[in-house]
Amino acid sequence: AQSVTQLDSQVPVFEEAPVELRCNYSSSVSVYLFWYVQYPNQGLQLLLKYLSGSTLVESINGFEAEFNKSQTSFHLRKPSVHISDTAEYFCAVSSYDKVIFGPGTSLSVIP
Amino acid sequence: ETGVTQSPTHLIKTRGQQVTLRCSSQSGHNTVSWYQQALGQGPQFIFQYYREEENGRGNFPPRFSGLQFPNYSSELNVNALELDDSALYLCASSPTSGSLSNEQFFGPGTRLTVL
Repeated sequence: AQSVTQLDSQVPVFEEAPVELRCNYSSSVSVYLFWYVQYPNQGLQLLLKYLSGSTLVESINGFEAEFNKSQTSFHLRKPSVHISDTAEYFCAVSSYDKVIFGPGTSLSVIP
Repeated sequence: ETGVTQSPTHLIKTRGQQVTLRCSSQSGHNTVSWYQQALGQGPQFIFQYYREEENGRGNFPPRFSGLQFPNYSSELNVNALELDDSALYLCASSPTSGSLSNEQFFGPGTRLTVL
């Protein structure tokens, strides 16, 4: 069985400060890893993904995540957040025929 | 390029009724998945359709069923509605044939309220 844990339900951070949103997973099979973002009153959008290859993946808006197989983690980081980064962030793992989302982390950027 | 669309946007039903939600996939996408997102929670995978057949299912009872049509659009049907079925229902399409191993493109969702 697969599961996803996002330990922090809410993360407040000041503008221009760094942030890390944590994601841990468990699975008995190889999985693919994703971070999705949900802005207020909008649908989910893919932020970044790890399928294979380099364990460090980056998004176009400055976020990055590193796949750590030994720690079964896929933490999301940004060195300097902006007000527009305020949103709900979901970590997800998928196998061929199933996908599991974490409960989400609400990131609030404080001016 | 048209994104994923869902209808209706909002729906109110009473307990015991049946409901049908609709989804049009993004152009060129042949795989559709449905999710239930309760308030304050992450999306829960209901099932996936590929080539008009169910191709993967989460932990939902049989009263949750679906269809996929030749044009890749899809329906989610829920029978015997319960109060706990109140949620945002999300549809997602993917260009990866029959697999959930790649990016999914989500629609805006249908907000279902069961009274």
